[in-house]
This record gives sequence, C-alpha cells and structure tokens, in this order.
Amino acid sequence: NAGVTQTPKFQVLKTGQSMTLQCAQDMNHEYMSWYRQDPGMGLRLIHYSVGAGITDQGEVPNGYNVSRSTTEDFPLRLLSAAPSQTSVYFCASSYSSLKRGYGYTFGSGTRLTVV
Amino acid sequence: AQSVTQLDSHVSVSEGTPVLLRCNYSSSYSPSLFWYVQHPNKGLQLLLKYTSAATLVKGINGFEAEFKKSETSFHLTKPSAHMSDAAEYFCVVSGRMDSSYKLIFGSGTRLLVRP
Repeated sequence: NAGVTQTPKFQVLKTGQSMTLQCAQDMNHEYMSWYRQDPGMGLRLIHYSVGAGITDQGEVPNGYNVSRSTTEDFPLRLLSAAPSQTSVYFCASSYSSLKRGYGYTFGSGTRLTVV
Repeated sequence: AQSVTQLDSHVSVSEGTPVLLRCNYSSSYSPSLFWYVQHPNKGLQLLLKYTSAATLVKGINGFEAEFKKSETSFHLTKPSAHMSDAAEYFCVVSGRMDSSYKLIFGSGTRLLVRP
C-alpha cells in the first residue's frame, strides 16, 4: 500500500533552474494538492486539482505550474527557481473535496534548497 | 472565511504528565476540524477529526480533542505524554474555497517531552 509517493526527497537547485516534483497516489483519490511548509507558517496551499484535467490555484501559486493528465499523478513544476522557493513541499490527496469531512493522505515531502 | 490559531508555538512537558495543545478556530459555518502530527523529517499523519458528530473525538495513540462551539476551540489532549509524542502538531480546519473544500492549517505547535 504505497499511498502518496513523492520524488525526489531532497533537491538542490541553482537560481533560475527549472525542475519538476513528482507526486503519485494509488488510492484512486479524486483530489490532489501541493503545499509548501515554511517555519512558523504551517502549510500553505500552492495548487490543487479536483480531478483529471482540472487544476486551480491555491494561496501561493506564483512561480509554480501543475497539470493533472491522469488521476494518479500530479506533478509540480518550478519554472525558474528562486531562493524564496526554498521550502519543504508536500503532496496530499483525498477521496473527495466536495464534502468537508474527508481527511488527507500526505506524502513524505521533498526538501528543496535553491542557492 | 475560515482560519485556525494555535495558541502556543512550543509546549514542553515531562514524560508521564498530561498534554494540552490549544487551538481556536474561526468559521462561518459548522466546521470540520482535524489534528495532524508531523514527526521530524516525516510527512503528516492524521491524529483525529471532528465532523459534527460527537463533540469528544478520540484519535490514535491516546490523543483526544473536544469541540466546544461556545469557545470556538478544539484543544488536543493526552493524559500521559510519551517520549514518542515529541513532534509538531497542526490544527486544521476544512474551509470552502471556490467550489470545493480545502484544508487550512494553523502555524503548528512543537511538543517537547522531557525524560
């Protein structure tokens, strides 16, 4: 039972480089999302998807792109990395976003450093 | 709009003593509330959730939380702390954004357990 799998676990980028953080879930969850975690700020929503082919912006979307071509995968792309994007990134999925009681399953995170 | 405030950024207890992590919420409707735990360098794990059923919610590892509407609180408690409880704890409310529900995180409380 893999749950939510994120790769890579660690990454160092130079300013201006691009990269893709991978996220895959095997629970047939409809809803997937990306959060970033910064000290003292909890988790902030970057982008989310309520189903294949549907994505939308969260609280802090600037500098990030997403796509959802399949139910299972939800990659996060950094277009031109900046030091302000140094953070820990979490992918999360849920059975549904249409009812408020569903909890999320989180991946183990990607620790990104931009130098 | 929905929000959560975790009243303590750090809580320190001795092993075997009670734990109290405080959370206040703001919601324009009856909320769903969650507590998540994050152990060092790990992802987030759901401890418990409240979804308008019983106001006293029992979770994993002996934790429980009580929903108090009159006080807009959802404090997390445990009768006796264990060393393995040392982690960061997030109070979370499910809030409506556009046409779907999102998790809105508090800033976290780091629990330290002294031997």
